[in-house]
Amino acid sequence: EVQLLESGGGLVQPGGSLRLSCAASEFTFSSYGMSWVRQAPGKGLEWVSATTSSDNSKYYADFVEGRFTISRDNSKNTLYLQMNSLRAEDTAIYYCAKDLYGGSAGPLDMWGQGTVVIVSP
Amino acid sequence: DIQMTQSPSTLSASVGDRVTITCRVSQSISVWLAWYQQKPGKAPKLLIYKASSLGSGVPSRFSGSGSGTEFTLTISSLQPDDFATYYCQQYDIYSTFGQGTKVEIK
Repeated sequence: EVQLLESGGGLVQPGGSLRLSCAASEFTFSSYGMSWVRQAPGKGLEWVSATTSSDNSKYYADFVEGRFTISRDNSKNTLYLQMNSLRAEDTAIYYCAKDLYGGSAGPLDMWGQGTVVIVSP
Repeated sequence: DIQMTQSPSTLSASVGDRVTITCRVSQSISVWLAWYQQKPGKAPKLLIYKASSLGSGVPSRFSGSGSGTEFTLTISSLQPDDFATYYCQQYDIYSTFGQGTKVEIK
């Protein structure tokens, strides 16, 4: 079954760091762009970052402000999001999602179940 | 930044109703717009991409239209499984989601 499985979420203090991972299976991971999308408690979807299939172009939402880094290891079929200088407002469910194409933040046709990040003292 | 405005924020409807949700964009994005359905506690599901192309396995009662700055998602005959929150997404310049439209039972 085609799937995406996120991990790495948890409770972290303000100013701390976390590294999220997203393991892909049953599709040619290296052929598709990938994104991270988050959803704060009771709120809507918010696009965070995207990378192209070859990882040579990366895109970030303005609110990231240089704090997050997206990357991927196509040999391991895994997408990453390194999050530094975390703030309370980064508290959310973080979803990884597959692009329908090889590009960047295009239509997202497959989503993981999400991993929860809580930023609190 | 591209701003997305969905309307209405909440919509009360009955099974069998025709439902239309609008997404207005702050600048022209051609047809680079998608629609998603999300149910509580679940990940979103792609319904429509490129403004009017139906996602894989999506029932034909869902349709999308529009171009430029104004787009609509239509459900031709609302079914019990369709009560959910719907989001539009532009992917012309990076990506932005609308704030969502909750379709609830009337």
